[in-house]
Amino acid sequence: EIVLTQSPATLSLSPGERATLSCRASQSVSSYLAWYQQKPGQAPRLLIYDASNRATGIPARFSGSGSGTDFTLTISSLEPEDFAVYYCQQRSNWSFGQGTRLEIK
Amino acid sequence: QVQLVQSGAEVKKPGASVKVSCKASGYTFTSYYMHWVRQAPGQGLEWMGIINPSGGSTSYAQKFQGRVTMTRDTSTSTVYMELSSLRSEDTAVYYCARDRVRIAVAGTGIVYWGQGTLVTVSS
Repeated sequence: EIVLTQSPATLSLSPGERATLSCRASQSVSSYLAWYQQKPGQAPRLLIYDASNRATGIPARFSGSGSGTDFTLTISSLEPEDFAVYYCQQRSNWSFGQGTRLEIK
Repeated sequence: QVQLVQSGAEVKKPGASVKVSCKASGYTFTSYYMHWVRQAPGQGLEWMGIINPSGGSTSYAQKFQGRVTMTRDTSTSTVYMELSSLRSEDTAVYYCARDRVRIAVAGTGIVYWGQGTLVTVSS
């Protein structure tokens, strides 16, 4: 069973800064990895699919990279609305990572 | 537009079962997998299982094997998730969510989500 481990658990940054979130798989998932953003009281929103493709309507400041076991979600310049919890998910057994909370410093 | 409308909140006693429905519209129901994902209060997302609405085949997370049953009714474009032997740890918001790609197409991502159904298990 593939396990996804996200780091850090919490990331404290200021608006305008660059955010780098990591997701590591216990075995290769090829490029079958997605990233989601979730705000309190809302359903998750798909940001990135197949490791590096932005979903419809997602701003260009969000980018994904990686393949195999190591993946990164980068937010180039944080906007106030970007502070939320982020999850990765793989397709082999569809499990999610435990999440990274991005908070305002 | 794609819509997933779930049934309302439920309160159940430990040991009981709950059945949550999810009515889909705005697309060809039998062309996309449907997932069930839950989220306990203050916790992360937990994938429960997936159903192919075309043939009804299912795959469940190991944790829920033997306790969860996912079914569908193609005549009403509705999927159902039944969880039995409920315990307090099953208190959560349950989401149905449609896969991004058509069945038999490789790719990741869940694009459309229901509004969520809160299931509370309490004696």
